[in-house]
Amino acid sequence: DTAVSQTPKYLVTQMGNDKSIKCEQNLGHDTMYWYKQDSKKFLKIMFSYNNKELIINETVPNRFSPKSPDKAHLNLHINSLELGDSAVYFCASSQDFSNEQFFGPGTRLTVL
Amino acid sequence: GNSVTQMEGPVTLSEEAFLTINCTYTATGYPSLFWYVQYPGEGLQLLLKATKADDKGSNKGFEATYRKETTSFHLEKGSVQVSDSAVYFCALRISNTGNQFYFGTGTSLTVIP
Repeated sequence: DTAVSQTPKYLVTQMGNDKSIKCEQNLGHDTMYWYKQDSKKFLKIMFSYNNKELIINETVPNRFSPKSPDKAHLNLHINSLELGDSAVYFCASSQDFSNEQFFGPGTRLTVL
Repeated sequence: GNSVTQMEGPVTLSEEAFLTINCTYTATGYPSLFWYVQYPGEGLQLLLKATKADDKGSNKGFEATYRKETTSFHLEKGSVQVSDSAVYFCALRISNTGNQFYFGTGTSLTVIP
C-alpha cells in the first residue's frame, strides 16, 4: 500500500487557470506538509497542517491555499496559475512535528 | 537564521569509489540533522539522522557524524554502487521553531559502471 499518495502525477495547464493537487496518507499521521521543488531541486516548505490546523504558513502567494477535509488529506489549491508556479510539488506527512517525514511521489506541474 | 549549505553538484563517480557530500549548517538552536535521498521520479526518503552532537547516523552503507564544533554533517560511503545514483538532501530541524525543516539545495550523484 502506498503510504503517501498524490494525484495527479503530472499536470499541464494554461496560465490563469485554477487547479488542485490531492494528497492522502494512510499512516495515521497527525501532520501533513506541502513542499515546492524548483528546477534546480531546491526544496521549500509551503504549508503544514497539524490536526486540521495550519501551523506553518511560509510566505507563499495567497493564490495557494491548503485544504484539509480530514486528518488523512491535505489538498493544495492554486488560483490564477502563473509560469513561475511550474515545479514539482511534494506532499509529506509525519506522526508529529518531531518525527520523520514521509514524502509522496510528487506532482509535476507545468504552466504554459 | 537557520540554513543548510551543501556542496554543489553534480557529482559523478565510478562504481566502488569513495563518496563524500559536504553539508554545513547554521542554526539558532540545537538542531537535529538529516540526510534524505531522492531517487529518479520519486519522493524524498529519509536516509539517516543524528539528533545530538557526536551522534553518527548510518544506513545502507552511508554514514554521517554530527559535528557541532565544525557545524557539519558530511555524508560518506566507502564504495558507491550504480543504484546509489540519486539526489541527496541535507536538512536540519529546529525544535524551537515549531520543528520546521530546512533543506539544502540537494546534490545530484551519478555513479557509472
